[in-house]
Amino acid sequence: AQTVTQSQPEMSVQEAETVTLSCTYDTSENNYYLFWYKQPPSRQMILVIRQEAYKQQNATENRFSVNFQKAAKSFSLKISDSQLGDTAMYFCAFMKHPSNTGNQFYFGTGTSLTVIP
Amino acid sequence: AAGVIQSPRHLIKEKRETATLKCYPIPRHDTVYWYQQGPGQDPQFLISFYEKMQSDKGSIPDRFSAQQFSDYHSELNMSSLELGDSALYFCASSLRFRETQYFGPGTRLLVL
Repeated sequence: AQTVTQSQPEMSVQEAETVTLSCTYDTSENNYYLFWYKQPPSRQMILVIRQEAYKQQNATENRFSVNFQKAAKSFSLKISDSQLGDTAMYFCAFMKHPSNTGNQFYFGTGTSLTVIP
Repeated sequence: AAGVIQSPRHLIKEKRETATLKCYPIPRHDTVYWYQQGPGQDPQFLISFYEKMQSDKGSIPDRFSAQQFSDYHSELNMSSLELGDSALYFCASSLRFRETQYFGPGTRLLVL
């Protein structure tokens, strides 16, 4: 079974500064995908960024980047130049390489991020 | 671009009643997933379908059932509702063997 751990229930950051959210996972799979989803007060689940485990290069999407350490099973999210609209719950998620079965997401417990003006 | 549609968006039911949640995947997506997110919790996988067949089953209570129809939309049927069933129910869709799941806006179910 896969487990995802987010050890920071709540975090805050000043507007325009940088913040890093932590995520660790446990799996015996070798091929898998990792995701960060954002859930604002509307509770819509919005994909922020994804990483393929077989890629050594860290994924980047504008102000969002990840630090993927496969050996350490660590997948942190860095948000640069934080904006008020970044205030949300952030979920780390794991999915094994798609196959006939077991393609569901495993989510961490989330980190509530508040951007302070 | 078309997104995942869920209906209704809000639903209020009494204990022991039944509820039906509907999900319309993104066009051409053949795989549907259902997740339940309780208050202050992370989403938990319930069940998934591919080509109208159940592919995986998670922590779905026996009181719940689901199916996927020929047009790929899916329905989650919930019977004998309990207070603990109050949650946000997400549907997500994807193409088979593709890793990215696209989430709908969710259905907020409140059981009184």
